[in-house]
Amino acid sequence: AQTVTQSQPEMSVQEAETVTLSCTYDTSESDYYLFWYKQPPSRQMILVIRQEAYKQQNATENRFSVNFQKAAKSFSLKISDSQLGDAAMYFCAYRFYNNNDMRFGAGTRLTVKP
Amino acid sequence: DTGVSQDPRHKITKRGQNVTFRCDPISEHNRLYWYRQTLGQGPEFLTYFQNEAQLEKSRLLSDRFSAERPKGSFSTLEIQRTEQGDSAMYLCASSPLGHSAPNEKLFFGSGTQLSVL
Repeated sequence: AQTVTQSQPEMSVQEAETVTLSCTYDTSESDYYLFWYKQPPSRQMILVIRQEAYKQQNATENRFSVNFQKAAKSFSLKISDSQLGDAAMYFCAYRFYNNNDMRFGAGTRLTVKP
Repeated sequence: DTGVSQDPRHKITKRGQNVTFRCDPISEHNRLYWYRQTLGQGPEFLTYFQNEAQLEKSRLLSDRFSAERPKGSFSTLEIQRTEQGDSAMYLCASSPLGHSAPNEKLFFGSGTQLSVL
Protein backbone atom coordinates (compact mmCIF):
# COMPACT_ATOMS: atom_id res chain seq x y z
CA ALA A 1 0.00 0.00 0.00
CA GLN A 2 1.17 3.48 -0.73
CA THR A 3 1.98 5.58 2.30
CA VAL A 4 3.14 9.14 2.68
CA THR A 5 5.27 10.23 5.65
CA GLN A 6 5.90 13.77 6.80
CA SER A 7 8.40 13.51 9.63
CA GLN A 8 8.17 17.13 10.77
CA PRO A 9 4.91 17.83 12.63
CA GLU A 10 5.91 21.49 13.04
CA MET A 11 8.38 23.85 11.41
CA SER A 12 9.19 27.48 11.96
CA VAL A 13 10.85 30.04 9.69
CA GLN A 14 11.72 33.68 9.92
CA GLU A 15 10.01 35.96 7.44
CA ALA A 16 12.05 36.31 4.22
CA GLU A 17 14.06 33.19 5.02
CA THR A 18 13.95 29.79 3.32
CA VAL A 19 12.46 26.62 4.76
CA THR A 20 12.31 23.04 3.53
CA LEU A 21 9.51 20.62 4.40
CA SER A 22 10.24 16.91 4.12
CA CYS A 23 8.14 14.15 2.60
CA THR A 24 8.86 10.54 1.85
CA TYR A 25 6.55 7.98 0.32
CA ASP A 26 6.42 4.28 -0.18
CA THR A 27 5.33 2.76 -3.48
CA SER A 28 6.22 -0.05 -5.82
CA GLU A 29 4.81 1.82 -8.80
CA SER A 30 6.87 3.76 -11.33
CA ASP A 31 4.18 6.04 -12.75
CA TYR A 32 2.63 8.36 -10.22
CA TYR A 33 2.14 11.98 -9.24
CA LEU A 34 3.13 13.97 -6.19
CA PHE A 35 1.58 17.09 -4.76
CA TRP A 36 1.95 19.64 -2.02
CA TYR A 37 -1.26 21.17 -0.71
CA LYS A 38 -1.55 24.05 1.74
CA GLN A 39 -4.36 24.27 4.31
CA PRO A 40 -4.64 27.68 5.99
CA PRO A 41 -6.89 28.33 9.00
CA SER A 42 -9.78 28.81 6.58
CA ARG A 43 -9.52 25.00 6.10
CA GLN A 44 -9.65 25.22 2.31
CA MET A 45 -6.91 23.07 0.80
CA ILE A 46 -5.00 24.81 -1.97
CA LEU A 47 -2.64 23.19 -4.44
CA VAL A 48 0.87 24.58 -4.10
CA ILE A 49 2.85 22.49 -6.56
CA ARG A 50 2.79 19.12 -8.35
CA GLN A 51 5.33 16.79 -9.91
CA GLU A 52 5.01 13.96 -12.40
CA ALA A 53 7.25 11.05 -11.42
CA TYR A 54 8.44 10.53 -14.98
CA LYS A 55 9.87 14.03 -15.12
CA GLN A 56 13.40 14.41 -13.83
CA GLN A 57 13.23 18.18 -13.68
CA ASN A 58 12.06 19.52 -10.36
CA ALA A 59 8.86 21.55 -10.47
CA THR A 60 8.88 25.21 -9.49
CA GLU A 61 6.07 27.69 -8.86
CA ASN A 62 7.36 31.16 -8.05
CA ARG A 63 8.77 30.95 -4.49
CA PHE A 64 7.94 27.25 -4.18
CA SER A 65 10.11 24.48 -5.54
CA VAL A 66 10.52 20.78 -4.92
CA ASN A 67 13.47 18.43 -4.62
CA PHE A 68 12.23 15.17 -6.13
CA GLN A 69 14.49 12.19 -5.54
CA LYS A 70 12.72 9.24 -7.15
CA ALA A 71 15.18 6.56 -6.10
CA ALA A 72 15.06 7.74 -2.51
CA LYS A 73 11.25 8.25 -2.72
CA SER A 74 11.65 11.74 -1.36
CA PHE A 75 9.69 14.85 -2.29
CA SER A 76 10.62 17.91 -0.25
CA LEU A 77 9.14 21.39 -0.59
CA LYS A 78 11.30 24.49 -0.43
CA ILE A 79 9.70 27.83 0.30
CA SER A 80 11.95 30.80 -0.47
CA ASP A 81 11.48 34.34 0.82
CA SER A 82 8.87 33.13 3.31
CA GLN A 83 5.89 35.39 3.87
CA LEU A 84 3.44 35.64 6.74
CA GLY A 85 0.74 34.32 4.44
CA ASP A 86 2.65 31.09 4.01
CA ALA A 87 1.75 30.06 7.56
CA ALA A 88 -0.47 26.99 7.25
CA MET A 89 -0.58 23.20 7.37
CA TYR A 90 1.24 21.67 4.42
CA PHE A 91 0.28 18.24 3.16
CA CYS A 92 2.30 16.06 0.84
CA ALA A 93 0.20 13.76 -1.34
CA TYR A 94 0.72 10.82 -3.68
CA ARG A 95 -1.49 9.57 -6.48
CA PHE A 96 -0.99 6.49 -8.62
CA TYR A 97 -1.67 7.26 -12.29
CA ASN A 98 -4.58 4.82 -12.54
CA ASN A 99 -6.25 5.60 -9.24
CA ASN A 100 -8.67 8.17 -7.88
CA ASP A 101 -7.40 7.67 -4.34
CA MET A 102 -4.98 10.42 -3.39
CA ARG A 103 -2.94 9.57 -0.28
CA PHE A 104 -2.00 12.40 2.04
CA GLY A 105 0.64 12.64 4.73
CA ALA A 106 -0.21 13.79 8.25
CA GLY A 107 0.92 17.32 7.52
CA THR A 108 3.51 19.83 8.73
CA ARG A 109 2.41 22.99 10.50
CA LEU A 110 4.50 25.91 9.30
CA THR A 111 4.83 29.02 11.43
CA VAL A 112 6.29 32.19 9.93
CA LYS A 113 7.81 34.61 12.42
CA PRO A 114 7.83 38.32 11.61
CA ASP B 1 -17.81 31.50 -9.48
CA THR B 2 -16.88 31.47 -5.83
CA GLY B 3 -15.39 28.02 -5.58
CA VAL B 4 -16.51 24.80 -3.94
CA SER B 5 -19.20 25.42 -1.35
CA GLN B 6 -20.01 23.11 1.55
CA ASP B 7 -22.94 23.30 3.92
CA PRO B 8 -23.16 23.33 6.87
CA ARG B 9 -19.78 24.51 8.08
CA HIS B 10 -20.31 22.89 11.47
CA LYS B 11 -22.65 20.15 12.61
CA ILE B 12 -23.14 18.86 16.14
CA THR B 13 -25.27 15.78 16.56
CA LYS B 14 -26.03 13.08 19.07
CA ARG B 15 -24.87 9.56 18.60
CA GLY B 16 -27.38 7.55 16.60
CA GLN B 17 -28.75 10.48 14.64
CA ASN B 18 -28.54 10.81 10.87
CA VAL B 19 -26.75 13.74 9.25
CA THR B 20 -26.50 14.99 5.71
CA PHE B 21 -23.90 17.31 4.21
CA ARG B 22 -24.08 19.13 0.93
CA CYS B 23 -21.36 20.06 -1.54
CA ASP B 24 -21.73 22.42 -4.48
CA PRO B 25 -18.74 22.06 -6.79
CA ILE B 26 -17.46 24.70 -9.13
CA SER B 27 -19.84 25.02 -12.04
CA GLU B 28 -19.07 22.61 -14.90
CA HIS B 29 -16.64 20.57 -12.82
CA ASN B 30 -17.44 16.99 -13.70
CA ARG B 31 -15.36 15.25 -11.09
CA LEU B 32 -16.30 15.38 -7.42
CA TYR B 33 -14.56 13.82 -4.43
CA TRP B 34 -15.35 13.38 -0.75
CA TYR B 35 -12.57 13.16 1.81
CA ARG B 36 -12.55 12.78 5.58
CA GLN B 37 -9.97 14.49 7.76
CA THR B 38 -9.51 13.66 11.43
CA LEU B 39 -7.56 15.79 13.87
CA GLY B 40 -3.83 15.70 13.23
CA GLN B 41 -4.15 13.70 10.04
CA GLY B 42 -4.29 14.36 6.34
CA PRO B 43 -7.47 13.85 4.34
CA GLU B 44 -8.55 10.30 3.53
CA PHE B 45 -10.36 9.47 0.30
CA LEU B 46 -13.98 8.37 0.68
CA THR B 47 -15.61 8.39 -2.73
CA TYR B 48 -15.48 9.79 -6.27
CA PHE B 49 -18.10 10.84 -8.81
CA GLN B 50 -17.77 11.55 -12.47
CA ASN B 51 -20.91 13.46 -13.37
CA GLU B 52 -23.71 11.55 -11.61
CA ALA B 53 -21.91 8.20 -11.56
CA GLN B 54 -20.24 7.09 -8.35
CA LEU B 55 -17.19 5.35 -9.75
CA GLU B 56 -15.16 4.54 -6.68
CA LYS B 57 -15.74 4.02 -2.97
CA SER B 58 -13.14 3.57 -0.28
CA ARG B 59 -13.38 0.69 2.18
CA LEU B 60 -13.61 3.48 4.77
CA LEU B 61 -17.11 4.14 3.48
CA SER B 62 -19.14 1.76 5.62
CA ASP B 63 -22.77 0.82 4.98
CA ARG B 64 -23.83 3.73 7.16
CA PHE B 65 -22.41 6.17 4.63
CA SER B 66 -24.07 7.01 1.36
CA ALA B 67 -23.24 9.64 -1.22
CA GLU B 68 -25.22 10.88 -4.16
CA ARG B 69 -24.85 13.28 -7.01
CA PRO B 70 -28.25 13.02 -8.65
CA LYS B 71 -27.92 15.46 -11.52
CA GLY B 72 -24.20 15.62 -11.80
CA SER B 73 -24.06 18.95 -10.02
CA PHE B 74 -24.27 19.14 -6.21
CA SER B 75 -23.57 16.13 -4.05
CA THR B 76 -24.78 14.95 -0.64
CA LEU B 77 -23.06 12.74 1.89
CA GLU B 78 -25.32 11.08 4.46
CA ILE B 79 -24.20 9.30 7.59
CA GLN B 80 -26.80 7.15 9.29
CA ARG B 81 -26.73 6.17 12.95
CA THR B 82 -23.72 8.36 13.66
CA GLU B 83 -20.99 7.14 15.99
CA GLN B 84 -18.43 9.13 17.94
CA GLY B 85 -15.75 7.83 15.59
CA ASP B 86 -17.46 9.67 12.74
CA SER B 87 -16.37 12.98 14.26
CA ALA B 88 -14.15 14.57 11.63
CA MET B 89 -14.04 17.20 8.96
CA TYR B 90 -15.64 16.14 5.71
CA LEU B 91 -14.08 17.78 2.68
CA CYS B 92 -15.43 18.02 -0.82
CA ALA B 93 -13.28 18.68 -3.88
CA SER B 94 -13.97 19.04 -7.57
CA SER B 95 -12.06 19.25 -10.83
CA PRO B 96 -12.99 19.81 -14.46
CA LEU B 97 -13.09 16.98 -16.97
CA GLY B 98 -10.46 17.35 -19.60
CA HIS B 99 -7.54 17.61 -17.27
CA SER B 100 -5.34 14.58 -17.03
CA ALA B 101 -6.99 12.92 -14.08
CA PRO B 102 -4.01 11.76 -12.07
CA ASN B 103 -2.32 15.14 -12.36
CA GLU B 104 -5.46 17.18 -11.88
CA LYS B 105 -5.69 20.15 -9.60
CA LEU B 106 -8.37 19.57 -7.00
CA PHE B 107 -10.38 22.54 -5.80
CA PHE B 108 -11.44 21.99 -2.21
CA GLY B 109 -14.25 23.41 -0.15
CA SER B 110 -13.80 24.56 3.44
CA GLY B 111 -15.32 21.38 4.80
CA THR B 112 -18.07 20.43 7.23
CA GLN B 113 -16.84 19.82 10.77
CA LEU B 114 -18.91 17.06 12.36
CA SER B 115 -18.98 16.50 16.09
CA VAL B 116 -20.85 13.46 17.39
CA LEU B 117 -21.65 13.65 21.11
